[in-house]
Amino acid sequence: DIQMTQSPASLSASVGDRVTITCRASQTISSYLNWYQQKPGKAPKILIYAASSLQIGVPSRFSGSGFGTEFTLTISSLQPEDFATYYCQQTNSNPPHFGQGTRLEIK
Amino acid sequence: QVQLVQSGAEVKRPGASVKISCQSSGYTFGYHYVHWVRQAPGQGPQWMGLIIPDEGRTTYAEDFRGRVTVTSDTSTSTTFMELSSLRSEDTAVYYCARERAYGGRYFYDHWGQGTLVTVSS
Repeated sequence: DIQMTQSPASLSASVGDRVTITCRASQTISSYLNWYQQKPGKAPKILIYAASSLQIGVPSRFSGSGFGTEFTLTISSLQPEDFATYYCQQTNSNPPHFGQGTRLEIK
Repeated sequence: QVQLVQSGAEVKRPGASVKISCQSSGYTFGYHYVHWVRQAPGQGPQWMGLIIPDEGRTTYAEDFRGRVTVTSDTSTSTTFMELSSLRSEDTAVYYCARERAYGGRYFYDHWGQGTLVTVSS
């Protein structure tokens, strides 16, 4: 199995801040990496697929980068609605493991 | 619009089974694989398996093999996930999710609302 490790586990930031979340794969996954946002009591929502492709309807302040084993999700200017938990997921091979999540909190 | 609507919350005793439904609408049912993912309290999502709806072909996670069965009913555009021999660690929210494929890989573009399964004696 390919394990996914996210850092940090939690992050405090203010509206307007630029934040970056990192996801590392235990073996190379090319660019088969997705990022989801989840708010309490809701299903995850796709933000980024193929490491850097923005899903339709997702604000352009979200961006993704990386290849191989190291990936980042960046939010360029935090908005109040961005405070949530973020998960990466690899789909290079089954099982398509998720990371353990990064909780983004208001400072 | 695309919707996946799941059945309601369940409370089960240890050792019992649970069967959750996920009805799809707003798209051609057979065109997209459906995955099942669960999320225990405070944990990240965990993949359980998938089904190719119009073929009924399935793939399961090793962690659940022998306990999970996913089926589909094309006449009602519904997918079912049954988990047997329940234990307290199976307490979680269970989601179905539609796969959006690209270049041989995929992501989940639509999710059900989630079904809470509580396992307690």
